[in-house]
Amino acid sequence: GAGVSQSPRYKVAKRGQDVALRCDPISGHVSLFWYQQALGQGPEFLTYFQNEAQLDKSGLPSDRFFAERPEGSVSTLKIQRTQQEDSAVYLCASSPRGGGAYNEQFFGPGTRLTVL
Amino acid sequence: GIQVEQSPPDLILQEGANSTLRCNFSDSVNNLQWFHQNPWGQLINLFYIPSGTKQNGRLSATTVATERYSLLYISSSQTTDSGVYFCAVSGGGSNYKLTFGKGTLLTVNP
Repeated sequence: GAGVSQSPRYKVAKRGQDVALRCDPISGHVSLFWYQQALGQGPEFLTYFQNEAQLDKSGLPSDRFFAERPEGSVSTLKIQRTQQEDSAVYLCASSPRGGGAYNEQFFGPGTRLTVL
Repeated sequence: GIQVEQSPPDLILQEGANSTLRCNFSDSVNNLQWFHQNPWGQLINLFYIPSGTKQNGRLSATTVATERYSLLYISSSQTTDSGVYFCAVSGGGSNYKLTFGKGTLLTVNP
């Protein structure tokens, strides 16, 4: 079946613009995660959804970052008033069960955001 | 939070050579995954291995949870094995968020 998909794959924004990044998880997967990967580093956790409930947003860097998953499927990560330090690859992952433990995560191809 | 250390940071091999990548972690884990990040940035799942040993073709992995480490073995390496290998774990009080190591950059020369 289809894997996790993300769009757009590349996004260039001018500083101060708002952006929206989309994630389509594997069909039926309960858990959805967003990670941020800076150049040369490993991904870092941003936020976690179980169905439509956002259970953990402790990794969001500032209140300019907002994520939603209103129907428990597709998710959108929104960044308001983008700054240069927001430039990174944003990865979405999903896993089949809730709760996380013993629950393999599958990643999408990422959205590479460049803020000029 | 849980700490993850990977070694070596860089590895250069000739095609056909074998290698071992190591992942140490600082607390008990309930998830451990190995990924290969290809040149296009896609994270490819290699193993889901919170404990025990698994093999898939030329690759195998072992996690000794009680001693807090995991090993990824690559045998008869090919140029297509090049890329960054990440170990990621969840544990230490969080049972869902993955904490990644800094990765091992593998270069396989023909």
